[in-house]
Amino acid sequence: GNSVTQMEGPVTLSEEAFLTINCTYTATGYPSLFWYVQYPGEGLQLLLKATKADDKGSNKGFEATYRKETTSFHLEKGSVQVSDSAVYFCALLRSNSNSGYALNFGKGTSLLVTP
Amino acid sequence: GAVVSQHPSRVICKSGTSVKIECRSLDFQATTMFWYRQFPKQSLMLMATSNEGSKATYEQGVEKDKFLINHASLTLSTLTVTSAHPEDSSFYICSARRDREAFFGQGTRLTVV
Repeated sequence: GNSVTQMEGPVTLSEEAFLTINCTYTATGYPSLFWYVQYPGEGLQLLLKATKADDKGSNKGFEATYRKETTSFHLEKGSVQVSDSAVYFCALLRSNSNSGYALNFGKGTSLLVTP
Repeated sequence: GAVVSQHPSRVICKSGTSVKIECRSLDFQATTMFWYRQFPKQSLMLMATSNEGSKATYEQGVEKDKFLINHASLTLSTLTVTSAHPEDSSFYICSARRDREAFFGQGTRLTVV
């Protein structure tokens, strides 16, 4: 079945450090892949997405490349800020049309950036 | 982006009572909404798909009679946890689909005591 595995946190980094959060997936076919972010006290927000192999999603300095050969969609940012502290979820769009636009999520990775 | 509002954000209830959670799409119409549940340190798990004007589609293992879903209008879906028990304590979050993107509510922290 479809599933997402992402690295467990929490991840603690100093401001301006490089960030990588690993995400790998198992799926039939070629799902669309997403990163969502949840800031404290808020709902999930779409951070970036990629809909086909080799696509690179990017937003707010974050990037992730859809790698079919390694079934991965790792999230990266070259220089994190304190305001990036949040929980990050990797997700894939189910291929089962009966579920419409339902997503399979990873467990989430908590990121804390310190000044 | 589109706004989805979920209410309440936190609720504490006694065992045996029922709790209703609302999910509203504020600036768009949503024929399909989704309800997820998140246990501590776990993924968000899809509970059910809510379709306006028709019955919800529940995921395997989710009790239909316990988690009642009503999608009576294009902007509102409700999840009612009936006869709540402590094991129902969790974080519930809804999402609404617009075009090919899902927008999420803020979530509801339910604590059953």
